[in-house]
Amino acid sequence: AQSVTQLDSQVPVFEEAPVELRCNYSSSVSVYLFWYVQYPNQGLQLLLKYLSGSTLVKGINGFEAEFNKSQTSFHLRKPSVHISDTAEYFCAVSGSNAGNMLTFGGGTRLMVKP
Amino acid sequence: GAGVSQSPSNKVTEKGKDVELRCDPISGHTALYWYRQSLGQGLEFLIYFQGNSAPDKSGLPSDRFSAERTGGSVSTLTIQRTQQEDSAVYLCASSHGHNTGELFFGEGSRLTVL
Repeated sequence: AQSVTQLDSQVPVFEEAPVELRCNYSSSVSVYLFWYVQYPNQGLQLLLKYLSGSTLVKGINGFEAEFNKSQTSFHLRKPSVHISDTAEYFCAVSGSNAGNMLTFGGGTRLMVKP
Repeated sequence: GAGVSQSPSNKVTEKGKDVELRCDPISGHTALYWYRQSLGQGLEFLIYFQGNSAPDKSGLPSDRFSAERTGGSVSTLTIQRTQQEDSAVYLCASSHGHNTGELFFGEGSRLTVL
């Protein structure tokens, strides 16, 4: 079984500032890792994913995340945020042999202020 | 449309009534998932359908919850004798079923139990 912890429930940040949303996971097997974004009143959409290969993964809208196996982390970063990045961000994990069943973290609400 | 479609988008019901929530997955997707998103909580896995295999019901919170998927396409989530704690947004997602982890989500059905 897997579990995901998003350490911050809310992250306020000023526009054009950098941001990091933290995600830690636990698993007894190899994992795939994901970040999903949920804009207000919309469904979730995939931001980026790590399956294998390079541990630095680039996603849409200028976001990137780095897989750190020793620290069991997959933190999401963006060097300069925009007002439009205000949304809920969910980290998720699946076992690499477990089909597509994802376990989600509790979410982090990113609030970008002008 | 090309995306995952859920209906109704909003449902208000009285405690003790039964409700049905419908999900139309993306055509050709063999896997279908139901998750529940409660206020301030992450996404809670409910049930997973993969092709013709027996569904994974391990996330259903009680025997008042059931789901079926007819013809490998449309799915219905049924909640019997609703309780106030069932109030949440019920999200449906579908995927190709192979192990890439990209789920495509609908916009959800918001259930309010009075």
